[in-house]
Amino acid sequence: AQSVSQHNHHVILSEAASLELGCNYSYGGTVNLFWYVQYPGQHLQLLLKYFSGDPLVKGIKGFEAEFIKSKFSFNLRKPSVQWSDTAEYFCAVNRGGADGLTFGKGTHLIIQP
Amino acid sequence: EAGVVQSPRYKIIEKKQPVAFWCNPISGHNTLYWYLQNLGQGPELLIRYENEEAVDDSQLPKDRFSAERLKGVDSTLKIQPAELGDSAVYLCASSSRSAGESYNEQFFGPGTRLTVL
Repeated sequence: AQSVSQHNHHVILSEAASLELGCNYSYGGTVNLFWYVQYPGQHLQLLLKYFSGDPLVKGIKGFEAEFIKSKFSFNLRKPSVQWSDTAEYFCAVNRGGADGLTFGKGTHLIIQP
Repeated sequence: EAGVVQSPRYKIIEKKQPVAFWCNPISGHNTLYWYLQNLGQGPELLIRYENEEAVDDSQLPKDRFSAERLKGVDSTLKIQPAELGDSAVYLCASSSRSAGESYNEQFFGPGTRLTVL
C-alpha cells in the first residue's frame, strides 16, 4: 500500500517569501502525484498533477512541483507567495486511472501581510 | 457546470443514532468516491464506485458503515449506530475518464461535517 508524508504541518511566511512544501511517498510501482489545495471555507481543488514526462510540472496560481523519482519526492514550490495563498495543502498519490487517492496529513500555510 | 453536491453540510447527532449523507456527482461522472477526513488529517478513501458497483470498499468499516449507489448516479453513505469517533468530515468526489489521460481527475464536494455527541 502506498503512503504519503508531508514534512511540515504548519508553515508561516510573509508575503513575497519563497515557498517549498515537502512531500515524500512510499510505493514501489508507478504512481500519479497530485497537490490539492483547500482555501478557507472551500472544497478541495486540484493545484497540479504529475503522471509522466517532464518532472517539473506547473499548476495554477504560479505553483510548480518537481518529481524526483530517486528520492520519492514531489515538493511544491512558489517563488513569491501572496496573502491569498493561505490555505491547507495536501499531497496525494494514486496508481492511475480511477484509483482512489492516498493523501498526506496536509500542511497549513499562513501568509502574513 | 455544477460541482459535486453534498447534503447536509452539517449534522449533529447523539451517539448510537443513525445518520445518512447524500452525494450527487458531476453529471456524466461514472466514478464516485467517499472519503473520511478527521481533524488535522488528510482524506482517507472509504469506498469507490464504478457506476453502481462498489469496486473498492476495503477501507469501509462494514460493521456500522454502509453505502449504496443504486442507479449509478447519486450515492448515500450511512452510519448505524454512530460512535463518538465518527465525528469528522465526510467528502464525496467524482471523476470520469479523460481522453488520452492516464488518470481521472477527482472533483470534490464541500463535505458533510458530522458531530457525534
